[in-house]
Amino acid sequence: NAGVMQNPRHLVRRRGQEARLRCSPMKGHSHVYWYRQLPEEGLKFMVYLQKENIIDESGMPKERFSAEFPKEGPSILRIQQVVRGDSAAYFCASSPGRQTYTDTQYFGPGTRLTVL
Amino acid sequence: SQQGEEDPQALSIQEGENATMNCSYKTSINNLQWYRQNSGRGLVHLILIRSNEREKHSGRLRVTLDTSKKSSSLLITASRAADTASYFCATDAVKAAGNKLTFGGGTRVLVKP
Repeated sequence: NAGVMQNPRHLVRRRGQEARLRCSPMKGHSHVYWYRQLPEEGLKFMVYLQKENIIDESGMPKERFSAEFPKEGPSILRIQQVVRGDSAAYFCASSPGRQTYTDTQYFGPGTRLTVL
Repeated sequence: SQQGEEDPQALSIQEGENATMNCSYKTSINNLQWYRQNSGRGLVHLILIRSNEREKHSGRLRVTLDTSKKSSSLLITASRAADTASYFCATDAVKAAGNKLTFGGGTRVLVKP
């Protein structure tokens, strides 16, 4: 059973470009979470999605950031018009969703975004 | 201070010694989890302790949870050089939708051979 997969692993963008980060959850997992980690810091929650639904986006910046988890295909975190402050590691995690309050979240290897 | 803060921020020990790190949090939780992150890599889940549990073991790891003090500790016994990593606690708050996690800033552990 493959783990959580994220691609690309490294992404370099110039200011003003768009960044699209992909996350394929573990097989059988229907819940996806996105987190951002700045250097030397812990992870910060961004958004929680189930298939075709955004459940909690309280950690997402109001502008330029969006996320989706379509019925088919991976979850996508999209950052429009990137700025240098968006440089960070973006981690996706998935959980089965069977035990809402005790599910373990399994993390992907992350996408390291560098904005030049 | 933030939900899920680790203490100390950094820890340097000799191989074979025990490493203890603490985590404090503020809100009521459903569970608390510990993760390990090697430099530049993803997070590896170590252990989950539910709010109604007080202690849990997994191999060389021992986790305690004191909900009255809103704190947890992670003990790594007989440390190895391969234990060198950052360790994060993460809490799943009772009022949170689903089980989004709130992470602390981490404890950076260096195990010297």
